[in-house]
Parts: sequence; structure tokens; C-alpha cells
Amino acid sequence: AQSVSQHNHHVILSEAASLELGCNYSYGGTVNLFWYVQYPGQHLQLLLKYFSGDPLVKGIKGFEAEFIKSKFSFNLRKPSVQWSDTAEYFCAVTPYNNNDMRFGAGTRLTVKP
Amino acid sequence: SQTIHQWPATLVQPVGSPLSLECTVEGTSNPNLYWYRQAAGRGLQLLFYSVGIGQISSEVPQNLSASRPQDRQFILSSKKLLLSDSGFYLCAWTEASGFLNEQFFGPGTRLTVL
Repeated sequence: AQSVSQHNHHVILSEAASLELGCNYSYGGTVNLFWYVQYPGQHLQLLLKYFSGDPLVKGIKGFEAEFIKSKFSFNLRKPSVQWSDTAEYFCAVTPYNNNDMRFGAGTRLTVKP
Repeated sequence: SQTIHQWPATLVQPVGSPLSLECTVEGTSNPNLYWYRQAAGRGLQLLFYSVGIGQISSEVPQNLSASRPQDRQFILSSKKLLLSDSGFYLCAWTEASGFLNEQFFGPGTRLTVL
């Protein structure tokens, strides 16, 4: 089965700093990739997803992620974070046309005002 | 539109007591259904998933079981809770077929076993 690694467990940034959260997966075939976010006290919700096409995917709230197939990576980026981005971020992967989704351990982002 | 419900929202149970957590989905048919446990620093651990009524796949051997008595109902159970069963349990659904396989999550149940 596929697996997902998120190497940053807790990231602390000041407002306006740039963000990059790492995500690497292990699976030999075609995959669908996701980033989910969980704001304090709220449901997990989808931030962005990649199925095919342009490997640079734009999501909500100014987030984007780039799929680099050769590196098995799908890193999340945001040029300038805000205090309201404080949340936990999860990377997830499914084999193409398969609903067996596997999540990374999550990265907690704290943005200081 | 589709919605997913979980109850109860919070639960405190003594060790050795039984457990039943319920998840229901509205506005869709024949969804795939999932139970996850979310633990701090360990992300989401897939416990069970179901592709149809009565069809349950278990990902991790444990003290828990799951059932799907109806198309849009998914139940997580235990006959005797352990301390280690404490955690945050999330139910999710996804379209069974087609290209879209984004998962949609419920609000979760916080279980504390004392």
C-alpha cells in the first residue's frame, strides 16, 4: 500500500513569512494527491488536490502545491502566511481511480502575529 | 448537497464498557465509507472502510469493529473498551465510482476511556 511522509511535525512562522511544507509519498503507480487542513475546532477540509495535468495546483486561501513526479513529492506552499493559517495540514495520496486514501502524520503550523 | 453526521460529539466511557459510534451520510448513494482515528503527532490512521452494505475491510487489528447495516450508515463498535481506545474518531465518505475521490469528513467524536 502507499504511504505518505511529512517530515515537518511543527512549523512556527511569523506573519508574512513564506511557507513550504514537505510531503513525500511511496507508490509505484499513478496517484492522486491532496492537502487537507484542519483549523482549530473545525472539520478537516480539502485545501487542494492534484489528479492530472498542470503539476502546479492552486487551492483556496492562496495555497499552492507542486507535484514533482521524479521526487515523489507534493509540497505545499504559500508566499505569505497569515495568523489565520494556524492549523494542522495533512498530505494524502490515493492510487489513481482508487479510494484507498493514506494520510501523512500531519504538520502543525503556528503563525505568530 | 451531501452532508455527513457523527454522534455523539463527545463520549466518556469506563474501561471495559461497550462502544457504538454512528456515522450517517445524506445526499448521496452507495458511498465508500471510512473510519479513522486521529492521534496527536500521528495523523489519521485508517481503521476500516466499506464499499457497500455488509462489506467491511479492516486495516489495523485492534479492539474495534465496524458494521454497515444500511447504505449510508457506518457504525464503529467495541465490546470492551481499553484505555488505548481513547482518541478522536473521524468518519469520511467518498464517491464510489468516477474520477472524483476526494474524501469528505464528519465533525468527529472525541472518545475518552477512563
